[in-house]
Amino acid sequence: ELKVEQNPLFLSMQEGKNYTIYCNYSTTSDRLYWYRQDPGKSLESLFVLLSNGAVKQEGRLMASLDTKARLSTLHITAAVHDLSATYFCAVEATQGGSEKLVFGKGTKLTVNP
Amino acid sequence: GAVVSQHPSWVICKSGTSVKIECRSLDFQATTMFWYRQFPKQSLMLMATSNEGSKATYEQGVEKDKFLINHASLTLSTLTVTSAHPEDSSFYICSARARGGTGNSPLHFGNGTRLTVT
Repeated sequence: ELKVEQNPLFLSMQEGKNYTIYCNYSTTSDRLYWYRQDPGKSLESLFVLLSNGAVKQEGRLMASLDTKARLSTLHITAAVHDLSATYFCAVEATQGGSEKLVFGKGTKLTVNP
Repeated sequence: GAVVSQHPSWVICKSGTSVKIECRSLDFQATTMFWYRQFPKQSLMLMATSNEGSKATYEQGVEKDKFLINHASLTLSTLTVTSAHPEDSSFYICSARARGGTGNSPLHFGNGTRLTVT
């Protein structure tokens, strides 16, 4: 059974600081996603990482994937208040003949002025 | 970009009644749609995989007779919560991938339906 672990689950940081969110998963998969969720809203796709060593950047967020270590990171650079949200990583795997997307528990990020 | 429309956005119903939630892919065909449930301050849990023209595949612990899924066309899947109870109150989110899409394309999520059962 595919398990996805995210840490930290809660992150409070000051504006301008850097931090990294970690996502570990238990079985082989070459497809990892990062999503953002604002309170009461659905998911916004941030990144799709498809191969070992993949790195993608959008604004102050950068995601990377190490399939050998089964680890993805979401790095936040010079955080701003607008980045406050819950961030989920999700890993896709084929189980029982169908593709499933399994989510981590999420990291609730609060950026303080 | 690809859009998934979910309706209604929120619904309040009395215990014992049934509620239907629709998920439509507006500008692409989706062979497979996924239904998730999210309780407050928790992650998304996959309930079932909806396949066009065939029976849905339910995750362990999800009652298929309670959560009826119909995927009648390549653009529409419905989730019916039958005989709803307060513990069914949750945020229900559907997602879809374009027909022929692989892991190279992300899943597109609907805006979610907040169900409150009184």
